[in-house]
Amino acid sequence: DTEVTQTPKHLVMGMTNKKSLKCEQHMGHRAMYWYKQKAKKPPELMFVYSYEKLSINESVPSRFSPECPNSSLLNLHLHALQPEDSALYLCASSQEGSGGPFYEQYFGPGTRLTVT
Amino acid sequence: KNEVEQSPQNLTAQEGEFITINCSYSVGISALHWLQQHPGGGIVSLFMLSSGKKKHGRLIATINIQEKHSSLHITASHPRDSAVYICAVEEGAQKLVFGQGTRLTINP
Repeated sequence: DTEVTQTPKHLVMGMTNKKSLKCEQHMGHRAMYWYKQKAKKPPELMFVYSYEKLSINESVPSRFSPECPNSSLLNLHLHALQPEDSALYLCASSQEGSGGPFYEQYFGPGTRLTVT
Repeated sequence: KNEVEQSPQNLTAQEGEFITINCSYSVGISALHWLQQHPGGGIVSLFMLSSGKKKHGRLIATINIQEKHSSLHITASHPRDSAVYICAVEEGAQKLVFGQGTRLTINP
């Protein structure tokens, strides 16, 4: 199984809502990532979890709150978002955590988020 | 921080043509990735390179570490190759720096 799954595929939320994005992989990968991608732009790294611990936070606003409950699951909790947060949110995973040689990242299909 | 430049930004070609997409970066890296993104969002990793050349089907990727340059070639291009191709470099553990992407359109 070389698949990263993300739910939901689409999400529309108001600025006062609280919602969560979910990402799952069963490849035994120990690093998981959240990226944000605006239209016609490359992905921007938001967070990296390595061995279930947050290892990189790219100065993301606190209205985005990541969580890694176990090695297969990665959540992104959303609260009080702004319309400019509308984007495609991509999850990825790779074999290794921090340090050591770099491993290929496997991407999920993304969640297209619209904030109204 | 690494600067990753891709060229061309947009490329339209006829089916069957040989395609080349270029990527240059400014600072030494440990690995370079070529990614493919189809409309709708999903990203697929095509290659990860740290030296030399790799081939997979009709796709070939090369890297010249001294010149800080990589190329992605597609032979016998097909309309299904139409996608955005993204070059990304790894400077340190886990972090990728992405180029702006090359939008490829192959017409039948």
